Amino acid sequence: AQSVTQPDIHITVSEGASLELRCNYSYGATPYLFWYVQSPGQGLQLLLKYFSGDTLVQGIKGFEAEFKRSQSSFNLRKPSVHWSDAAEYFCAVGARQAGTALIFGKGTTLSVSS
Amino acid sequence: DGGITQSPKYLFRKEGQNVTLSCEQNLNHDAMYWYRQDPGQGLRLIYYSQIVNDFQKGDIAEGYSVSREKKESFPLTVTSAQKNPTAFYLCASQGLSGNTEAFFGQGTRLTVV
Repeated sequence: AQSVTQPDIHITVSEGASLELRCNYSYGATPYLFWYVQSPGQGLQLLLKYFSGDTLVQGIKGFEAEFKRSQSSFNLRKPSVHWSDAAEYFCAVGARQAGTALIFGKGTTLSVSS
Repeated sequence: DGGITQSPKYLFRKEGQNVTLSCEQNLNHDAMYWYRQDPGQGLRLIYYSQIVNDFQKGDIAEGYSVSREKKESFPLTVTSAQKNPTAFYLCASQGLSGNTEAFFGQGTRLTVV
């Protein structure tokens, strides 16, 4: 079955510290991979995406993610977290066939302490 | 500006009533989606449509209905048959050509009172 697992429900990081959010997927073929961020009561904003090519992708707000095919993972990283990064983060996978709905993980809530 | 507009942002419904959530996009996207979001559950797919006058059920379609009469519009009706309709509803759209991501609206929070 196709699925996305985000093992950490809630993470707290000190401001200025590094961040890594984990994402593992189960999919029949190599999927497209995405990270979205959501502020409370808002829609989802795309942080970054992987379609092909370089397995380390850069996104907005200083985020990056690395696709590791052998581990079926697509972990999100940021070297130095800012208080404004506190939000909920969703990993998603999609088929390479256009028009197939994305499958989302259950999300990781990030809190930033001062 | 191109984007997806969901309305209203907040919606209150009495038990036993149907209610329709609006979703409009001006991105010229062919595919549109409805997701339901509950705390700790992530996003679950309700319905999706790849073309006008055609749509498919997602994982949790029971108690919901949709229509796709225009490319730009994909309204969702929450019927009285939906046992637990209180949730945050998100609409998304996606182009069908090239490598594109899904774009999301700002959501509608539905509360049954």
